Amino acid sequence: GQSLEQPSEVTAVEGAIVQINCTYQTSGFYGLSWYQQHDGGAPTFLSYNALDGLEETGRFSSFLSRSDSYGYLLLQELQMKDSASYFCAVRPYSGGYQKVTFGTGTKLQVIP
Amino acid sequence: ETGVTQTPRHLVMGMTNKKSLKCEQHLGHNAMYWYKQSAKKPLELMFVYSLEERVENNSVPSRFSPECPNSSHLFLHLHTLQPEDSALYLCASSQDVGQRTGELFFGEGSRLTVL
Repeated sequence: GQSLEQPSEVTAVEGAIVQINCTYQTSGFYGLSWYQQHDGGAPTFLSYNALDGLEETGRFSSFLSRSDSYGYLLLQELQMKDSASYFCAVRPYSGGYQKVTFGTGTKLQVIP
Repeated sequence: ETGVTQTPRHLVMGMTNKKSLKCEQHLGHNAMYWYKQSAKKPLELMFVYSLEERVENNSVPSRFSPECPNSSHLFLHLHTLQPEDSALYLCASSQDVGQRTGELFFGEGSRLTVL
């Protein structure tokens, strides 16, 4: 099976940088994705890492290291609207491509 | 607006009721999913349909019954539920062929309360 662990809560100051980690135990997967979910809203896709290294999309960057079973989401120039829950997710090799598995989720609170 | 619409947004039902959740996607995707989201727990995959065939049933109790009449519509039929089934039920779709990231597009969910 797969398990993806994240810190449950993170607090950061507006304008700062925050890193949300995702450590996983899985036999293999196609890539690591990140989703954002505001309270009462739908999860929305943020980024995807198929290969090791850093992917940058505006203020958000995501990193993957398969050898370390570790990834992270980096949010720069934090804004109040970034307060939300963030989930990492994988599509595993075994069990079927459609069996998308999500991490435990991190609730980010941005404070003034 | 994600292109995935769920109804109803809120549902309260007794343990003996029968109700259904509906999901419709307007994105031309070929796979649809039901997830359960409970407080302080990861999103739990319940069912997956790919090309209108069920490819995943993640050990879900039989009181939850999915139906996928075509590639744009997905239902979750509910009967004799338990209070612990109270949760947010999220529908998602994806294009599983020719799409690099396998991105899921979620609806805003149906908040279910079982009394």
